[in-house]
Order: sequence, then C-alpha cells, then structure tokens
Amino acid sequence: GDSVTQMEGPVTLSEEAFLTINCTYTATGYPSLFWYVQYPGEGLQLLLKATKADDKGSNKGFEATYRKETTSFHLEKGSVQVSDSAVYFCALRQFSGGYNKLIFGAGTRLAVHP
Amino acid sequence: EAQVTQNPRYLITVTGKKLTVTCSQNMNHEYMSWYRQDPGLGLRQIYYSMNVEVTDKGDVPEGYKVSRKEKRNFPLILESPSPNQTSLYFCASTVTSGSTSYNEQFFGPGTRLTVL
Repeated sequence: GDSVTQMEGPVTLSEEAFLTINCTYTATGYPSLFWYVQYPGEGLQLLLKATKADDKGSNKGFEATYRKETTSFHLEKGSVQVSDSAVYFCALRQFSGGYNKLIFGAGTRLAVHP
Repeated sequence: EAQVTQNPRYLITVTGKKLTVTCSQNMNHEYMSWYRQDPGLGLRQIYYSMNVEVTDKGDVPEGYKVSRKEKRNFPLILESPSPNQTSLYFCASTVTSGSTSYNEQFFGPGTRLTVL
C-alpha cells in the first residue's frame, strides 16, 4: 500500500542554519503531497503542499518540490529560527473508496538553538 | 474563531474504565476523523465519518468506538481501555472528503491519554 518515509530525528540545528528534512513516498499514481507542522502542545497545521510533479510548495520560508523521478518531497529552509522548533510530518493524499485519506510519515522533530 | 476542540486535553485512567474523548468543530464540516500518534509511527487513522450517522473504520479501529449523531460532534469511546491505547489522539475535520479535489484537514490540539 501507499506509504511515506521520513528521515529520523531529532534534527538539531543552530539558528540561521540550512534545513533539509528528507521525505520519500510509495504510491500508486501521482498523489498530492503535503508537509504538516506540529508546534509543542498544538495540533497539526498544514505548512505547504504540491499537487503534481515539479510543483513547488512554499510557505513561511519553507519549500518542497514534488520530484516524481525520485518519489521525493524534501522540506528545505535556508535559515531556520528558534520558532521553527516543532515536529514536521510529510504526508500524501490517497483517494480511494470514495474519500480522501492522508497517509503520514513518522514525523521528524526539529530543535533549533540560539 | 474556526476551530476543532477536544476534551480532555490530558487523561490518566486505569485498565477497563470506560472513557470518552469529545471532539467538536464549528466549521460545519461534513467529514471528521480520529487519529492516534505514536513515536516512530506518525499518525494512524482510527475511525472516520463522512457525515451524520455515517462512520467507518480506519487503519487501527480495534478497541475504539465512535458515533456521529450531530454534524459538529464526533466522540471517541474506549469501552475497556488497555495500556496499548496509551497515545496522543487527534481529531480532524474538513469540508468534505468525497471529492477528487483535496480539502485541507483541520486538527484539534490533541488529547494525551495514559492507561495504567
């Protein structure tokens, strides 16, 4: 079945460092892809999305490009801040049985230090 | 303010003592869902509901029940909790899910359940 694999964390960075969190997927066809962020004590929020190959999703300085050839959707940010400390989930949308379903990766915890 | 609320936020209970976690949304969403989040496993869907009185099993439904008598509420019921149900639970809702286009899911703040 469809699945999402993320790099294991935690990822620990200093402020202003470059961030990459790897995400690869296995799916039938070309699903929509998402990054969700979970700040401490809160629910998940949609960070960005891409719906077709070569699309680039971006938000709050984060970017991810839908790479069909490598089945990847890596999250990047050029200069992280302490406020970016959170857990990041990669997910794909599966539409089957007449409804949409999100398949999540295991999550990657990011800790940014001053 | 548009939101999904869950109660309680934290709960410690003992094996076998029935409990209910409530979920409510004020966005008139048709679709609601329950997930559990466990380390190394991400979020896994427990149950979902396409609309009032329409519910179905997700990937890990064993040991859980749900009901959808009103559009805004989708409680999660653990009839006889066991320690392997210790987890972080999230409720989510979206406008509708029966469409080929994607509608963003909105998540509640989570309920941390510990079963001793």
